[in-house]
Amino acid sequence: DAKTTQPPSMDCAEGRAANLPCNHSTISGNEYVYWYRQIHSQGPQYIIHGLKNNETNEMASLIITEDRKSSTLILPHATLRDTAVYYCIVSRAGGTSYGKLTFGQGTILTVHP
Amino acid sequence: DTAVSQTPKYLVTQMGNDKSIKCEQNLGHDTMYWYKQDSKKFLKIMFSYNNKELIINETVPNRFSPKSPDKAHLNLHINSLELGDSAVYFCASSQAGDGGYTFGSGTRLTVV
Repeated sequence: DAKTTQPPSMDCAEGRAANLPCNHSTISGNEYVYWYRQIHSQGPQYIIHGLKNNETNEMASLIITEDRKSSTLILPHATLRDTAVYYCIVSRAGGTSYGKLTFGQGTILTVHP
Repeated sequence: DTAVSQTPKYLVTQMGNDKSIKCEQNLGHDTMYWYKQDSKKFLKIMFSYNNKELIINETVPNRFSPKSPDKAHLNLHINSLELGDSAVYFCASSQAGDGGYTFGSGTRLTVV
């Protein structure tokens, strides 16, 4: 699976959009970009994933560049409860061995009042 | 209705003991996983089962033995516990062809 690079930490004001970048320059054509987050002491939580088109769900938006070498997770209106470690992961989809999720260090997002 | 449930939530035990952690998912997923998160917060996959068949074993000591009686359950048995086994263990499940994993809330194992 391709490696990802994320900033170690970011701050965001409550109510503002949080834009979390991720670089994945060695991504393969059949690999998806996944985003998970881990709120302190809880299990990781799936946020969103995409292949090449931008995606949006009730939690966030995912913007993937045309060359697929980087992406941005957008939390449109960050709240204090969005403070967490955010993981960007590149992997082939599926529940078999090639669908394994490999977590990096992630970005610690702190949302301030 | 917890989607992926683990028991126990906390486990404190002495070195050398044998312990088990249980995991159950009610999502109808066909693949289940065990992840370990150490004190430095790195999450590492340990095992993966697809329809009761072991498909990933990530160089975990053979003191760790997963068992999947059916596709809704994946238990983790640990023999001869060592101090270094202290960590939070997370169970997860997914459906083949679908990207999202659902994680349990974790079992914090402390070996003293």
